[in-house]
Amino acid sequence: DAKTTQPNSMESNEEEPVHLPCNHSTISGTDYIHWYRQLPSQGPEYVIHGLTSNVNNRMASLAIAEDRKSSTLILHRATLRDAAVYYCILMWSGGSNYKLTFGKGTLLTVNP
Amino acid sequence: NAGVTQTPKFRILKIGQSMTLQCTQDMNHNYMYWYRQDPGMGLKLIYYSVGAGITDKGEVPNGYNVSRSTTEDFPLRLELAAPSQTSVYFCASSYPSVGTEAFFGQGTRLTVV
Repeated sequence: DAKTTQPNSMESNEEEPVHLPCNHSTISGTDYIHWYRQLPSQGPEYVIHGLTSNVNNRMASLAIAEDRKSSTLILHRATLRDAAVYYCILMWSGGSNYKLTFGKGTLLTVNP
Repeated sequence: NAGVTQTPKFRILKIGQSMTLQCTQDMNHNYMYWYRQDPGMGLKLIYYSVGAGITDKGEVPNGYNVSRSTTEDFPLRLELAAPSQTSVYFCASSYPSVGTEAFFGQGTRLTVV
């Protein structure tokens, strides 16, 4: 499975934008980029996913580099509720067993 | 909206005891998964199932068993509990597509003493 690399931790201030980076230099053409987050004492929740084009939804935006070797999750205005561990995950679309493989993720701290 | 429901939420087991962690989903998802999460770590896949009657091992299957007799339920069985199985266990489900999201339960916190 292709690997992802994320910073261990990041800090932000409330109501400011947050850019969470993810490197995936060994990504294959059929790998989708998924982002999940895990709030304290809760199960992971889906944030966003994409393949090649940038994506937006009500929670966040996903910016994917042209060569697809990196991506950035953008929270446009961080709130205290966005404090969580954010996981960048590659999911291979070349087979039929779709599994999420979690790394350690990035712990985002949001300061009031 | 029930989603993915796990029971129990908390459990303390003695070494050598056995138990079953229950997971049920009401979204008619084919795929179901069991993960464990040790403190400060990411989730590790224990077992997964792509449909009723079909299960397969993940990264850390030793010490666990699963079955999938219905689409809705995917129980995880611990036969001889060991301290190394102290962890938080998460069940998840999804449609069989790489472009869709997985839904997770709230977790079962298990302590083996």
